[in-house]
Amino acid sequence: GIQVEQSPPDLILQEGANSTLRCNFSDSVNNLQWFHQNPWGQLINLFYIPSGTKQNGRLSATTVATERYSLLYISSSQTTDSGVYFCAAISSGSARQLTFGSGTQLTVLP
Amino acid sequence: KAGVTQTPRYLIKTRGQQVTLSCSPISGHRSVSWYQQTPGQGLQFLFEYFSETQRNKGNFPGRFSGRQFSNSRSEMNVSTLELGDSALYLCASMGQGGEKLFFGSGTQLSVL
Repeated sequence: GIQVEQSPPDLILQEGANSTLRCNFSDSVNNLQWFHQNPWGQLINLFYIPSGTKQNGRLSATTVATERYSLLYISSSQTTDSGVYFCAAISSGSARQLTFGSGTQLTVLP
Repeated sequence: KAGVTQTPRYLIKTRGQQVTLSCSPISGHRSVSWYQQTPGQGLQFLFEYFSETQRNKGNFPGRFSGRQFSNSRSEMNVSTLELGDSALYLCASMGQGGEKLFFGSGTQLSVL
């Protein structure tokens, strides 16, 4: 099945800093999503982005499908951005099974 | 629109018991999938149901089963619980467009 790798595994930032999270996937995809898991365990869908670029406030994401990677940008980070960020993908050639990466643990310090 | 609702939020069981978890998807969503999250294995796909039929299944033993009702609500059952089944169980629903997945708050299961 498809492999989804995220980097870095851990990231510590000062409030106000910018960051870039990366997601590499091993196969062509027809579905790629980014999620934020807050400290209470709730997974929030940030972006559905199998290709192209999207922006939502301080967050934006870019997927370069031909090169099999996606990037999540967080600008002017806030303490509430802390948590784990997951990338998940469905391979174009497989059944509808979302495979998750191992996540990036983000800590934003005040 | 109400989000995905999972009950109960917490469960404590002992080895050998069985447990049933419930999930109500977003209104109008017919696809419901289940995931297990543990610190060691991360988020792993259990199964997906669509219109009361299991459409996809992950690599879990037969002790893990599920079903979906005509109103799209879904239940997941784990029989003969083992210590390793302790995990956060997450349910998610997806709309007709097959794009975004929306998750519930999860059920934290502890097996003693």
